[in-house]
Amino acid sequence: DQQVKQNSPSLSVQEGRISILNCDYTNSMFDYFLWYKKYPAEGPTFLISISSIKDKNEDGRFTVFLNKSAKHLSLHIVPSQPGDSAVYFCAPLMNYGGSQGNLIFGKGTKLSVKP
Amino acid sequence: SAVISQKPSRDICQRGTSLTIQCQVDSQVTMMFWYRQQPGQSLTLIATANQGSEATYESGFVIDKFPISRPNLTFSTLTVSNMSPEDSSIYLCSVTSGAIEQYFGPGTRLTVT
Repeated sequence: DQQVKQNSPSLSVQEGRISILNCDYTNSMFDYFLWYKKYPAEGPTFLISISSIKDKNEDGRFTVFLNKSAKHLSLHIVPSQPGDSAVYFCAPLMNYGGSQGNLIFGKGTKLSVKP
Repeated sequence: SAVISQKPSRDICQRGTSLTIQCQVDSQVTMMFWYRQQPGQSLTLIATANQGSEATYESGFVIDKFPISRPNLTFSTLTVSNMSPEDSSIYLCSVTSGAIEQYFGPGTRLTVT
């Protein structure tokens, strides 16, 4: 049973426009939500995170929104650039008693930004 | 963030053999993890590598199949034993030093024929 769902396997947007990547989850016990991006033949790179007690976190062109009641989060990239073309993974974390918990990865959404 | 290297970057192996993957970090880290990404699937945690003690395995993964060592705070190995084609995956190590985010190595692409 998937705890993390990224229902759009791919997304294509025009350079300069907004990219919105979505993620749904089932476990209300997640403490943090992380986003990673992955280029081919490389490991995932940490992008941005949000605590479960917040509803928004912004870092430059990247903003993550969390709707706990809907168990939904989204990553907004604006303006989108061709270098943003990658696979984006949503990865919630359960932090057990202060020690590092597990990251649970979604299947990812492949973003293509066209010049 | 730490710089993480993995060896080998890729390999093609015959069924029934074993492969040991190395993960080296350029600084001491608190925790090291091993993940697997099967074709078309998401990343799945195999185990947490504990320094000086046995690794902690996730459900569905066992020590006999995936023995792990972590002799110090900068190095770990994962062995994929008695390989079958179903073990064809990308294997990744990740590290953290108490922060929420984990940092990943470049991965090892394994193909079992």
